[in-house]
Amino acid sequence: GENVEQHPSTLSVQEGDSAVIKCTYSDSASNYFPWYKQELGKRPQLIIDIRSNVGEKKDQRIAVTLNKTAKHFSLHITETQPEDSAVYFCAAIPGAGSYQLTFGKGTKLSVIP
Amino acid sequence: DTAVSQTPKYLVTQMGNDKSIKCEQNLGHDTMYWYKQDSKKFLKIMFSYNNKELIINETVPNRFSPKSPDKAHLNLHINSLELGDSAVYFCASSQGRGNYGYTFGSGTRLTVV
Repeated sequence: GENVEQHPSTLSVQEGDSAVIKCTYSDSASNYFPWYKQELGKRPQLIIDIRSNVGEKKDQRIAVTLNKTAKHFSLHITETQPEDSAVYFCAAIPGAGSYQLTFGKGTKLSVIP
Repeated sequence: DTAVSQTPKYLVTQMGNDKSIKCEQNLGHDTMYWYKQDSKKFLKIMFSYNNKELIINETVPNRFSPKSPDKAHLNLHINSLELGDSAVYFCASSQGRGNYGYTFGSGTRLTVV
């Protein structure tokens, strides 16, 4: 099955700086890569996603890039704010027919005011 | 109008008891999931139902039994609770394979004492 590795496990940045979280996946047939943000005590919420036919996607201060050849994708957050502090999960859905979204182990992002 | 609702939000119970968690979604999705989030925040799939049919049944003790009476509901019954069952259990739903994202419920924090 799919295996998703996520790094780093913790990340501290100064407010206003950028944060980058990286993930790799194992199944070359995977075609959908969402990112979820989970604030303390809350549910995971989808913040951005990318499909395998696209290399980059942006939504205001967040962007995701995908390198299908290397089988890795990254989340970029610019101009970080204290409210960006949360645990971020990358995920991947394996090839055709699979219903299983496999998550990375999460990155705890702390934005220091 | 909550999209995916779980009850109860908190559950404290003694070892050996049997308990149930209920989940309902009003998004019209046809696929529902149970995920377990342990103390290290790792999100692990347990079960998935598509149109009331069990499609994912991960390596979970058979003390855990899901039940989907219709595609809007997915319940989880746990027999003979053990200390190691303490975790947050999230219900989620998606349309089809989930390659338009999952919507998570608010979670049930189960504590076994």
